[in-house]
Amino acid sequence: AQKITQTQPGMFVQEKEAVTLDCTYDTSDPSYGLFWYKQPSSGEMIFLIYQGSYDQQNATEGRYSLNFQKARKSANLVISASQLGDSAMYFCAMREGYGGSQGNLIFGKGTKLSVKP
Amino acid sequence: DAGVTQSPTHLIKTRGQQVTLRCSPKSGHDTVSWYQQALGQGPQFIFQYYEEEERQRGNFPDRFSGHQFPNYSSELNVNALLLGDSALYLCASSLADGHQPQHFGDGTRLSIL
Repeated sequence: AQKITQTQPGMFVQEKEAVTLDCTYDTSDPSYGLFWYKQPSSGEMIFLIYQGSYDQQNATEGRYSLNFQKARKSANLVISASQLGDSAMYFCAMREGYGGSQGNLIFGKGTKLSVKP
Repeated sequence: DAGVTQSPTHLIKTRGQQVTLRCSPKSGHDTVSWYQQALGQGPQFIFQYYEEEERQRGNFPDRFSGHQFPNYSSELNVNALLLGDSALYLCASSLADGHQPQHFGDGTRLSIL
């Protein structure tokens, strides 16, 4: 079974509008972290935002926010006021375990976001 | 503050050859992880090094091996290359702390002919 599911292979959004990229996860570990990365066509993976399983509040980083619904096991990324430079692949990832155990990242298949002028 | 650097950027090899990819972690980071990203897919975990030891390994054959040096830099070696090894190889570094994100380099694009 897939541990990270991104059901939107591609999304379009108008410049300056908000967009939500979906991510659901599957784990039986009570301690885990959820991450979103952006990958432009050049290839580098850029860290955007992190949410820990025990965090009470949804994470926010500038124009990025994470809509964390623990009971539904979803961790959707919301990008506000989209910019042309936001066009890229977006990956949701999970790391199981905490503390000294630097667990590996498990990635979804990604969502390609295209911002229209 | 230099981020994660990888070399080379691109590499072309033929089947059966061996390849070594290199990675220097972000300053202050002590843990290095390697990922393979096939075209159109998300990255797949290969292995992770901490204190010069392989700490975790993903579902990759023994043809994939690695090393971490005292300065925390790392190498990924792949022997007996197959066409299916063509991919973007990403190195990520982090601190040995479960709360910290992994920071990635720009990757090495390996093509097997």
